[in-house]
Amino acid sequence: KAGVTQTPRYLIKTRGQQVTLSCSPISGHRSVSWYQQTPGQGLQFLFEYFSETQRNKGNFPGRFSGRQFSNSRSEMNVSTLELGDSALYLCASSLEGDGSTDTQYFGPGTRLTVL
Amino acid sequence: QQQVKQSPQSLIVQKGGISIINCAYENTAFDYFPWYQQFPGKGPALLIAIRPDVSEKKEGRFTISFNKSAKQFSLHIMDSQPGDSATYFCAAGPSYGGTSYGKLTFGQGTILTVHP
Repeated sequence: KAGVTQTPRYLIKTRGQQVTLSCSPISGHRSVSWYQQTPGQGLQFLFEYFSETQRNKGNFPGRFSGRQFSNSRSEMNVSTLELGDSALYLCASSLEGDGSTDTQYFGPGTRLTVL
Repeated sequence: QQQVKQSPQSLIVQKGGISIINCAYENTAFDYFPWYQQFPGKGPALLIAIRPDVSEKKEGRFTISFNKSAKQFSLHIMDSQPGDSATYFCAAGPSYGGTSYGKLTFGQGTILTVHP
């Protein structure tokens, strides 16, 4: 079974630009969660999507948004990039995204650098 | 209340030794406690997980010990090997049927180095 895939793996953008990252979950998984990983803040939850609906959201500004398609693939968008948005963005998929019964499997991440 | 505190930040162990990483949480709504292992350039990979209805879970060289009353849990790596050198994250997740869908709260990570 193929794992979670994320594209692109690396991105370099400049301040003020916007960026779109893509995630393809494991086949059959309907929940996709996004996390931001930085050396200072660690792994922080951005949001979760299930059946094309955002069910949960972390404490990030509105510049961070996402969506999910009918095939469970998900994208996240960051508008008006700031230097502090430089991070590894991780996508995780699970069957239902519902608590302790549901293991999250992570992709390799997209390394975003904002100059 | 959403924090998970992990210690130590870094750990150096000799080959064959025992590595111990500790985590503490505050939110009693947490019901799922996984440990993830992350190698450079890779995403976190699930190592082992436990629920509060058991006090210990063992898988090979990896053991989770869980103390519900103290709200603490720990990872023990027996017979540590150089290939275990990685960053380890504890995490806490919501109970089934709650509204905190798809959210794991992570500790800050422990960089483990196992010397040969």
